Amino acid sequence: DTAVSQTPKYLVTQMGNDKSIKCEQNLGHDTMYWYKQDSKKFLKIMFSYNNKELIINETVPNRFSPKSPDKAHLNLHINSLELGDSAVYFCASSQDHINREQFFGPGTRLTVL
Amino acid sequence: RKEVEQDPGPFNVPEGATVAFNCTYSNSASQSFFWYRQDCRKEPKLLMSVYSSGNEDGRFTAQLNRASQYISLLIRDSKLSDSATYLCVVVTMDSNYQLIWGAGTKLIIKP
Repeated sequence: DTAVSQTPKYLVTQMGNDKSIKCEQNLGHDTMYWYKQDSKKFLKIMFSYNNKELIINETVPNRFSPKSPDKAHLNLHINSLELGDSAVYFCASSQDHINREQFFGPGTRLTVL
Repeated sequence: RKEVEQDPGPFNVPEGATVAFNCTYSNSASQSFFWYRQDCRKEPKLLMSVYSSGNEDGRFTAQLNRASQYISLLIRDSKLSDSATYLCVVVTMDSNYQLIWGAGTKLIIKP
């Protein structure tokens, strides 16, 4: 059983399109995260939700909007995709926002053409 | 100075050797520290948390030096399977809740 799952695994799309990435965890964790890892392999946190409440909101273009329908799911919607959005997006979860041992999903490789 | 810094490497190390690398951080209020490993085109995986008194897990030893503001990871009797990028994470909970990742140190174990 996959602990943290993401869909899709690969996403190729044109500039200007809107796309969503979904994440689910079955670990019973309270806190979930979205990260972006660019071509230089630098991993940067974008958002974090604790029990459906936004607790980290880094400087990210407002084209990116996270949504947490329940604490087991954290989706990422991206409007008006740009070339610079091409990256691997990782979802992660941790028991809570105090215990930060994180478990990652397999990543979504987004390519914007 | 970057908030969290790591030597990018690569560290080329013969199998069986001992290797160590550090991660320095700038915020003295940082409270929690972790080491992750990331294999090529895979997700990061937790290797170990770093406790104030230092901790060991098999061939891996993690230490925290608060005075000099760095954490370290020591790998003994290195295996080919240890080849990966090692990332440190520094967590601070003061007025700003920060979770900052280092850029990673690439380790290559050679037969």
